[in-house]
Amino acid sequence: NAGVMQNPRHLVRRRGQEARLRCSPMKGHSHVYWYRQLPEEGLKFMVYLQKENIIDESGMPKERFSAEFPKEGPSILRIQQVVRGDSAAYFCASSPDPVYGYTFGSGTRLTVV
Amino acid sequence: AQSVTQLGSHVSVSEGALVLLRCNYSSSVPPYLFWYVQYPNQGLQLLLKYTSAATLVKGINGFEAEFKKSETSFHLTKPSAHMSDAAEYFCAVNINTNAGKSTFGDGTTLTVKP
Repeated sequence: NAGVMQNPRHLVRRRGQEARLRCSPMKGHSHVYWYRQLPEEGLKFMVYLQKENIIDESGMPKERFSAEFPKEGPSILRIQQVVRGDSAAYFCASSPDPVYGYTFGSGTRLTVV
Repeated sequence: AQSVTQLGSHVSVSEGALVLLRCNYSSSVPPYLFWYVQYPNQGLQLLLKYTSAATLVKGINGFEAEFKKSETSFHLTKPSAHMSDAAEYFCAVNINTNAGKSTFGDGTTLTVKP
């Protein structure tokens, strides 16, 4: 079992460009979560998805950010018109059931220049 | 609502000494509680979890945690620190399995001195 796969590991974007972050959950895991981690800070919840459904997006900024988990393929976190403040590590996690805890990917470190 | 507070953003111990990382939670219903470890430039790894069975939970790498409802605490301990334990540790709480969202503390960085 390959675990939670995130790509790319590092992503550099200029201000105003789009960033696409991908996450393939562990086999058999239908619950996917995205968290953001800023330097010297903890993990902040962004969005919780199941296949083809957004369950909770209360942590997502209302503008420029979107997420999907299609029937086929990885979950995508999309950030449009990136700004310097979007620079952070973005972690994806998956679970077969939230009561069991999460398996995390290695993260995507986004740098906006 | 659910929240966790980790007391002490940095903890330093000598190799072989007791490790104690503190976590207090707040929830309106019985919680599920977790401890995760994060090594530099890596994702988080689940250390252990409390899911309303035994109050003393044993995890990987010799860590354990005790759920104390009266104190709303879930402190992480290890009898003897090893250099490889140096990392950042996060406590997390989940009270609504239907929503499935865990809330994380701000983390505690553990330093182990030789």
